[in-house]
Amino acid sequence: QKEVEQNSGPLSVPEGAIASLNCTYSDRVSQSFFWYRQYSGKSPELIMSIYSNGDKEDGRFTAQLNKASQYVSLLIRDSQPSDSATYLCAVSTRSGNTPLVFGKGTRLSVIA
Amino acid sequence: DADVTQTPRNRITKTGKRIMLECSQTKGHDRMYWYRQDPGLGLRLIYYSFDVKDINKGEISDGYSVSRQAQAKFSLSLESAIPNQTALYFCATSDRYSGGLADTQYFGPGTRLTVL
Repeated sequence: QKEVEQNSGPLSVPEGAIASLNCTYSDRVSQSFFWYRQYSGKSPELIMSIYSNGDKEDGRFTAQLNKASQYVSLLIRDSQPSDSATYLCAVSTRSGNTPLVFGKGTRLSVIA
Repeated sequence: DADVTQTPRNRITKTGKRIMLECSQTKGHDRMYWYRQDPGLGLRLIYYSFDVKDINKGEISDGYSVSRQAQAKFSLSLESAIPNQTALYFCATSDRYSGGLADTQYFGPGTRLTVL
């Protein structure tokens, strides 16, 4: 059973701080990793994808991947109240012949 | 216009009724998915289809059926709705051959279904 684990939160950070969201996965052959943001009652929207070990930056967001430790994280710099949402981690296998496996998400609350 | 559309957006029905939720996409993707989401349980995969002739069960397919009428259309049916099928339902699409974006899923706006 392929699993993706996330702390459900809520993770509370003050406005302007760095929010750090973590995700671990069980399938060693996982190849592609995704972070989605979901506001309450809305659909998930893709924030970032990462495929190689290391960091990938896009604006205030940085995804970090460590395949040896089976760990992927999302950093949000200068957190804003509008970043308050649930963040879903998703993982794809090497073959790409099975659907993404989603974690249950971490709820982030940015306090003004 | 939205790339992935779902109809209806909201539906209230009674126990025992047959319900169909529809999903259409203009992204040209070959893969389509149906998920349900309940508070605290995350996204759970109901069915998925990798092309028009391919239908696969997900982790919670009991009580549901699907039809892939065309590459762009994927419908979810509840043959006899029951109250514990009350949930938010999402359709998603992905493209197997998008290089670095392969398997990135794009979601529709969701259908809120209430079964009384």
